[in-house]
Amino acid sequence: GQQLNQSPQSMFIQEGEDVSMNCTSSSIFNTWLWYKQDPGEGPVLLIALYKAGELTSNGRLTAQFGITRKDSFLNISASIPSDVGIYFCAGPIISEGGGADGLTFGKGTHLIIQP
Amino acid sequence: GAVVSQHPSRVICKSGTSVKIECRSLDFQATTMFWYRQFPKQSLMLMATSNEGSKATYEQGVEKDKFLINHASLTLSTLTVTSAHPEDSSFYICSARRVGRRYQETQYFGPGTRLLVL
Repeated sequence: GQQLNQSPQSMFIQEGEDVSMNCTSSSIFNTWLWYKQDPGEGPVLLIALYKAGELTSNGRLTAQFGITRKDSFLNISASIPSDVGIYFCAGPIISEGGGADGLTFGKGTHLIIQP
Repeated sequence: GAVVSQHPSRVICKSGTSVKIECRSLDFQATTMFWYRQFPKQSLMLMATSNEGSKATYEQGVEKDKFLINHASLTLSTLTVTSAHPEDSSFYICSARRVGRRYQETQYFGPGTRLLVL
């Protein structure tokens, strides 16, 4: 099946540092999504990528869709305390009928920021 | 806009009882909603796709008779965990797909429901 390998599993950084995490897959994805989840909450969409090679920013966040369509990275610049949380990459699950339904998620990167 | 709510936010029940969780799209219509399950320190796993007016589609390994889904209107889907057992304790999250040009971008998640079965 479609699996997303996300790394690192966790990161301990100092406030103000830049953060980088990535996601890889053995199969091709046509869409890559990056979400952030706070404790006890549902995930919130940060960035959506639709084209191979696409580089998209959302404030201090930047994400890129790999040329091979099998990987993506998310960078956070100048981290602040509210960046703490779990970051997930996700992509559409392709059903047997060929249509895309729900999402498959990576295992998440737990970001911890030390003041 | 594009707010999705879930009720209840948390529920504790005895083993063997049934629990109903509601997912509502508050300011848009959703022909498709999705139900995910998340165990502690793990990722979200898709359980089923709920389509308004038709039967839900379940992912492999998810028992349709245990997790009953009803999508009776364009703004409401319900998930009923029947005869719940402690292993069903989890965080259940729904999402609603809003019709738009890029449908993947327009899938909005609810805040989740924490289920604890004693």
